[in-house]
Order: sequence, then C-alpha cells, then structure tokens
Amino acid sequence: GIQVEQSPPDLILQEGANSTLRCNFSDSVNNLQWFHQNPWGQLINLFYIPSGTKQNGRLSATTVATERYSLLYISSSQTTDSGVYFCAVDPLTSGTYKYIFGTGTRLKVLA
Amino acid sequence: ETGVTQTPRHLVMGMTNKKSLKCEQHLGHNAMYWYKQSAKKPLELMFVYNFKEQTENNSVPSRFSPECPNSSHLFLHLHTLQPEDSALYLCASSQEGRGAVHNEQFFGPGTRLTVL
Repeated sequence: GIQVEQSPPDLILQEGANSTLRCNFSDSVNNLQWFHQNPWGQLINLFYIPSGTKQNGRLSATTVATERYSLLYISSSQTTDSGVYFCAVDPLTSGTYKYIFGTGTRLKVLA
Repeated sequence: ETGVTQTPRHLVMGMTNKKSLKCEQHLGHNAMYWYKQSAKKPLELMFVYNFKEQTENNSVPSRFSPECPNSSHLFLHLHTLQPEDSALYLCASSQEGRGAVHNEQFFGPGTRLTVL
C-alpha cells in the first residue's frame, strides 16, 4: 500500500520562527489533508489541498502531486501552534473511503 | 469545532465491562468513520459507514462492534477489551458522492479509553 512519510519527526522552535513541514507519499493521490492535533487530542483541519497552494493566515500549504509531496509552512510561530501535525492522503487506487495518515511532526514552540 | 461531538471524552473500563462510545455529527454528512490512535502510531481507520452501510472493516477484532442507526449517529460498542486497546478513539465525518474521490473529513474531539 501507499507509504506516507513526514519530516522532521520532531521540531522545536523559538516563538516567532518560521518552519516547513514535509509530507512525502509513495503513490498517486486524489486528495490530501493537513491537520493539527492539539494537546487535548482534537484534530483541527488546516488544509484540504490535492494540488496547488493555499494560504490561511500564518499558515500555507503547497502540494505538488506529480512529485508526490506536500509542504506546510508555519510563519511567525506561536506557542499555540504546538502539537502534532499530520498529513493524510486519499490514494488514487484505493477504491475505498480510506485516508492514510502519516506518522506526524511533533512541534513545540517555546516562549 | 462543534460539528462532530463524541461522548464520553474519557472512559476507564475493566476487561469484563461492556461500554459504548457515541459520535454525532451536525454537518449533514453521509459518511462516518471510527479511527484508533495509539501512542506513537499513525491514526488507524477501523470502520467506515457510507449512506448508513458499513463499507469498510479494517480487520478490527470482534470485541469492537460498530452501529450506525442513521447518517448522524455512530456508536462503537466495546466488549471484553484488552489493555492494548487503550487508545484515543476518534470519530470523523465527510460528505461523499458515489465517485472515487473522497472529500474532506472532519473529526470529533475523541474519547480517551483506558482498559485496566
């Protein structure tokens, strides 16, 4: 099946710093989502981005489907950005309602 | 996010207990999902209901039994669980068509389950 790898696995930033999180996938996909899981476990939708670039405030994402990767940019990070960031892909060939999740990037933003 | 709610938020149960997790979505979606998140592991899809029919059972042990009485409600009935079943159980919903492309999923806050 499709493999979804995220990097880096862990990231520590000083408040105000910028960062780039990466999601690589091993096969073609229909769709891709980015989520932020807060310390209480809630998964918050960030982007639904099968291709192209989207921006939402300090966050933006780019998916290059032909090269099988997506990037999540966080600018001017804040302590509330701490948590785990997951990408999830909808494989092109799956035929089922199955998003495959990566292992996540654990981000800690220090004040 | 109040579009998808889950109860209870925390549950501690013994291995001989029977309990149920409840999920309700207020988004008018037609597909609902149960995921399991264990420590240090990616989210694992357990069950999918689309148009109230179970369309996916991802090799889940029979001690987990889903029920979807309508498109807004989803239950996970638990029976004789094992300590390794302790995890965060997440419910999600989406609006799906009949095609192969799947739409955005929205998650509830999860139930943190501890099996003693």
